[in-house]
Amino acid sequence: NAGVTQTPKFRILKIGQSMTLQCTQDMNHNYMYWYRQDPGMGLKLIYYSVGAGITDKGEVPNGYNVSRSTTEDFPLRLELAAPSQTSVYFCASKEQRDQPQHFGDGTRLSIL
Amino acid sequence: DQQVKQNSPSLSVQEGRISILNCDYTNSMFDYFLWYKKYPAEGPTFLISISSIKDKNEDGRFTVFLNKSAKHLSLHIVPSQPGDSAVYFCAASARNNNDMRFGAGTRLTVKP
Repeated sequence: NAGVTQTPKFRILKIGQSMTLQCTQDMNHNYMYWYRQDPGMGLKLIYYSVGAGITDKGEVPNGYNVSRSTTEDFPLRLELAAPSQTSVYFCASKEQRDQPQHFGDGTRLSIL
Repeated sequence: DQQVKQNSPSLSVQEGRISILNCDYTNSMFDYFLWYKKYPAEGPTFLISISSIKDKNEDGRFTVFLNKSAKHLSLHIVPSQPGDSAVYFCAASARNNNDMRFGAGTRLTVKP
């Protein structure tokens, strides 16, 4: 099983550019999450989804958008990249509420 | 607001000794708690969890203790091994909410 796959692993963007961080899972999990981790900080929740067609904001949603058209995929969209969005982004999934999340290996994003 | 706090950014212990990592939370609605381990350039991996109906959960060398009245949990690793060197994150979720909150992490170094 591949688990949770994130692409790309690394990306450098210029201020104002847009991009989509891809996340796909092959475990048929209902719950999916996007986090960002800044240096020396914990993971901050950006958006999450409890199933296809349903998304909700987390702690730090500003500047991001998500969609969940299928169970497998949960892309994260940055429309106008800003230096404050330089971070490592992690996608995660889980089957049910009281179960641990499975994480991807992250996307390291730098905005210059 | 930081609802999950890990006040020790780092901890160093000798191989074979006990490692104790601490976590405090402020939200009394949290009822499910987890510890994750993270190596550099990888996503967090699940270590152990505990539900609020218990005060202790054990899995091999790892034990998590929950003190609900103090809103405190701890992870004990006995005996500590050099391979345990990693960043450990505490996380919590509430029954009325589908998201999960993480602490800032504690970097554990186990010296041979």
